[in-house]
Amino acid sequence: NAGVTQTPKFQVLKTGQSMTLQCAQDMNHEYMSWYRQDPGMGLRLIHYSVGAGITDQGEVPNGYNVSRSTTEDFPLRLLSAAPSQTSVYFCASSYEGGNLGTQYFGPGTRLTVL
Amino acid sequence: SQQGEEDPQALSIQEGENATMNCSYKTSINNLQWYRQNSGRGLVHLILIRSNEREKHSGRLRVTLDTSKKSSSLLITASRAADTASYFCATFDRGSTLGRLYFGRGTQLTVWP
Repeated sequence: NAGVTQTPKFQVLKTGQSMTLQCAQDMNHEYMSWYRQDPGMGLRLIHYSVGAGITDQGEVPNGYNVSRSTTEDFPLRLLSAAPSQTSVYFCASSYEGGNLGTQYFGPGTRLTVL
Repeated sequence: SQQGEEDPQALSIQEGENATMNCSYKTSINNLQWYRQNSGRGLVHLILIRSNEREKHSGRLRVTLDTSKKSSSLLITASRAADTASYFCATFDRGSTLGRLYFGRGTQLTVWP
């Protein structure tokens, strides 16, 4: 199993550009989520999904869109990048959606918005 | 926010010493989890303790949970330089919208050889 994979590893955008961060898992997990990590802020939940076709907002959803058309993939779209979205983005998945057991994290995408 | 909050923010010890990190949270929880993050890497799950458990062990890790004080502690015994990392607690709030897991800001542990 590859676990949770994220692409790209690094990305530089200009203000106003859009892009999609990819996340995929091969563990047949129902629950997937996106976090951003900023210095001194810990991890903050952006969006999450409890299954294909079901998504919901986390703590900091503004400026981001998600969709979940398959169990495996959970892409995160930045609609119009802003410098405030410079961060490290982590995708995670879990088998136990309702009780939220062990989260498996991807290696992260380091995004810089100029 | 229902974040857990770790204490201390930073901890520096010598190899062989024990390291204790604490986590406090605000609301009733289903379970509490501890994660580790090496610099520049993703988080790795260490241990999960359910709300009806008081103590759990895994190798050199010992986790306690006191739901009356809304706090947990992570003890790493006989620390090694390889334990140098950031440690996060995460809580799933029983009353929150399904699927929300909240992380604290972490404790940065440095273990000197």
